[in-house]
Amino acid sequence: SQQGEEDPQALSIQEGENATMNCSYKTSINNLQWYRQNSGRGLVHLILIRSNEREKHSGRLRVTLDTSKKSSSLLITASRAADTASYFCALGGGGGSNYKLTFGKGTLLTVNP
Amino acid sequence: NAGVTQTPKFRVLKTGQSMTLLCAQDMNHEYMYWYRQDPGMGLRLIHYSVGEGTTAKGEVPDGYNVSRLKKQNFLLGLESAAPSQTSVYFCASIGPAYTGELFFGEGSRLTVL
Repeated sequence: SQQGEEDPQALSIQEGENATMNCSYKTSINNLQWYRQNSGRGLVHLILIRSNEREKHSGRLRVTLDTSKKSSSLLITASRAADTASYFCALGGGGGSNYKLTFGKGTLLTVNP
Repeated sequence: NAGVTQTPKFRVLKTGQSMTLLCAQDMNHEYMYWYRQDPGMGLRLIHYSVGEGTTAKGEVPDGYNVSRLKKQNFLLGLESAAPSQTSVYFCASIGPAYTGELFFGEGSRLTVL
């Protein structure tokens, strides 16, 4: 089954800057989700965007989805040190896999104070 | 509510030993999943269940067995542990509306010597 590929693998920025990470995939999906994982912890859901949506916002998070390019981006504005974590995109549904969510390898974001 | 609880959190096994990881959720969720997370590999789906009494194979099911005798519990078993099964294991669950978010446990770190 397919998985998303996050880019870049690692990103280091200063507090207050914006952070953008991308996810590309190859086959059809029903939805795409972004999760955050702090070191040594479980994953926490951030935002879900459906295949018929193009953009969603949640607080300082902005997610876009371009199904023609099979790509999504996650923008974190005005980053904080507490945003330091790994971020994963997860592909939902599509290709008959209605019950399975597949994850990419993640982007490690470091926000320096 | 506790959400998703995994036990044990840490375990060291010798090659060939067996063990069971327990996942319990108190959200009355239908779907439950076991993932493993290895450095540089992201999360890979081992097995999943779409309801009490059902199980299905994920991406990397070999060497593992699962059972879902009660809706709230999803057990992951290793019959004969191998060093390649050293990993962090995450359980997750989702409610009836599949297009929602996954709720993750905090992980179980397993080392096989």
